[in-house]
Amino acid sequence: RKEVEQDPGPFNVPEGATVAFNCTYSNSASQSFFWYRQDCRKEPKLLMSVYSSGNEDGRFTAQLNRASQYISLLIRDSKLSDSATYLCVVNGPDSSYKLIFGSGTRLLVRP
Amino acid sequence: EPEVTQTPSHQVTQMGQEVILRCVPISNHLYFYWYRQILGQKVEFLVSFYNNEISEKSEIFDDQFSVERPDGSNFTLKIRSTKLEDSAMYFCASTPGTKIPDTQYFGPGTRLTVL
Repeated sequence: RKEVEQDPGPFNVPEGATVAFNCTYSNSASQSFFWYRQDCRKEPKLLMSVYSSGNEDGRFTAQLNRASQYISLLIRDSKLSDSATYLCVVNGPDSSYKLIFGSGTRLLVRP
Repeated sequence: EPEVTQTPSHQVTQMGQEVILRCVPISNHLYFYWYRQILGQKVEFLVSFYNNEISEKSEIFDDQFSVERPDGSNFTLKIRSTKLEDSAMYFCASTPGTKIPDTQYFGPGTRLTVL
């Protein structure tokens, strides 16, 4: 089983649409969870950390379900500039600081 | 806003040659990392570095790889004898190391092409 699993997409949506991405992780000892965004041939950039209580940052909402080992990201009112690959990321188990990346979900927002 | 910088942006080398990839982490950060991303694949952890020593490394980080913090600002990744399969984007990252979770800030990457 992959450590972090995501649907590769692509998700092709019109501007203004709401889109949701899901992710599962295999190691129940993971402590920290993130969504990163990666544009083509660029570095990953932190979009948001994900907390057990769920958190929202503008048009973006992230949820974590530890029991199911499931993370989600919801993007409302999609913009053309949201087109990118969204990476689900967890830290290594126990005291490890390394990040474990999913393969990413590609989002294309069309006019 | 402070950022991680990496040089060169693109390095082309012949198989068997040594390469050194350079990174300047954010100045007050304590933890440093190298990741790589083969084209079309996911980002993979290579090594973490704290207090002038390796704190963790992956299976990928074998004897041909080494890291060094030669001075107070640079953090380098050396690949001793490059192979074709070392062709990838190499990202450096750093974190303050002051809290958990701790945001890892990534540099723009060095694209390594091994011919």
